[in-house]
Amino acid sequence: DTAVSQTPKYLVTQMGNDKSIKCEQNLGHDTMYWYKQDSKKFLKIMFSYNNKELIINETVPNRFSPKSPDKAHLNLHINSLELGDSAVYFCASSQVGLETYNEQFFGPGTRLTVL
Amino acid sequence: GQNIDQPTEMTATEGAIVQINCTYQTSGFNGLFWYQQHAGEAPTFLSYNVLDGLEEKGRFSSFLSRSKGYSYLLLKELQMKDSASYLCAASDSNYQLIWGAGTKLIIKP
Repeated sequence: DTAVSQTPKYLVTQMGNDKSIKCEQNLGHDTMYWYKQDSKKFLKIMFSYNNKELIINETVPNRFSPKSPDKAHLNLHINSLELGDSAVYFCASSQVGLETYNEQFFGPGTRLTVL
Repeated sequence: GQNIDQPTEMTATEGAIVQINCTYQTSGFNGLFWYQQHAGEAPTFLSYNVLDGLEEKGRFSSFLSRSKGYSYLLLKELQMKDSASYLCAASDSNYQLIWGAGTKLIIKP
């Protein structure tokens, strides 16, 4: 069983388009994340949701809008795509609290290429 | 501010031992993680330290010194499959992970 799944795995699109990436976790975790990893391989947090509520929103353009319909899903919608948005986007989840490691489990990643 | 420092790249020989260092500065501290990331794949959990000392798990060990803001990952009996990036991440007072840029480990025969 896949713990954290993302779709699509690859996404190639034109500048100016709008696209969405979906993420689902079946681990029962209460916190989910979106990360961007660019060509330099630096993993940068974009958003963090705890029980469907936004708790972290780093300096990300407002073209990026996360949506969490329930605590098992965190989707990422991107408007007006730009060349600089090309990267690998990882979804992750964890159970935050005193009784756990707070280890984050990652999805397989979505490689976005903007032409 | 919050910061993680680790070397960009290291090279080692198959069968040898390598130590990857990490220093951190965070607002509060709730533990230090090491993740492994093979090229084109997602990061996967290797180890977690919250108390000072060495945690051993097979060929991999991780060490933490909270007073020095320092950790290392020790890999023994290196295998070609250990070629990957190793990411150090510190958990802050809000349990959010502050990530290092990763150390690319190259294993040579």
